[in-house]
Amino acid sequence: EAQVTQNPRYLITVTGKKLTVTCSQNMNHEYMSWYRQDPGLGLRQIYYSMNVEVTDKGDVPEGYKVSRKEKRNFPLILESPSPNQTSLYFCASSLSYNLPQETQYFGPGTRLLVL
Amino acid sequence: DAKTTQPNSMESNEEEPVHLPCNHSTISGTDYIHWYRQLPSQGPEYVIHGLTSNVNNRMASLAIAEDRKSSTLILHRATLRDAAVYYCILSSSGAGSYQLTFGKGTKLSVIP
Repeated sequence: EAQVTQNPRYLITVTGKKLTVTCSQNMNHEYMSWYRQDPGLGLRQIYYSMNVEVTDKGDVPEGYKVSRKEKRNFPLILESPSPNQTSLYFCASSLSYNLPQETQYFGPGTRLLVL
Repeated sequence: DAKTTQPNSMESNEEEPVHLPCNHSTISGTDYIHWYRQLPSQGPEYVIHGLTSNVNNRMASLAIAEDRKSSTLILHRATLRDAAVYYCILSSSGAGSYQLTFGKGTKLSVIP
């Protein structure tokens, strides 16, 4: 089944403790991205990747890092989480990065609470 | 990115058709119109997209105005499972990659 998976689905952590949220897709997609969703602010893009070893900042990249060493995986790294990073995170992928008619496929979400 | 305007919320009775409007008066000629929906506690999922002509798929129909300044997502027979937030989004090609910019969407409630 074609899908985007994220782990963990739920995470409670403390300020400053490094964490990684994994994202994997099995559709051989070039384009992957991370969003965060907050009440009243909607979905905002954090980082995106157009292919292996090619990443760029989205609208709200501060406090986050990403890497794209393999086509299928796009982990989101919080080196020193802070309470304002408490949010619902979604990973998404699509076949290509520059065709505006492409469909994006979203993962199930990771709910993060930083104490 | 060109902006879209949607009603904050709408209600529909179960098994009746639903017409969800979207205004995008500043749309450019290369902008595609996408609709995604987000069910409670889930990630957004693709519904339908189009450029100029009306489109149908198994989930819904998309009616695009002749001047492309507005569009309507049509759910032919609402079910309880269709209760979700529906997002109307424009995307266009340009330098670099494209991005889907999500607004606040329309929260659809379906009444049994």
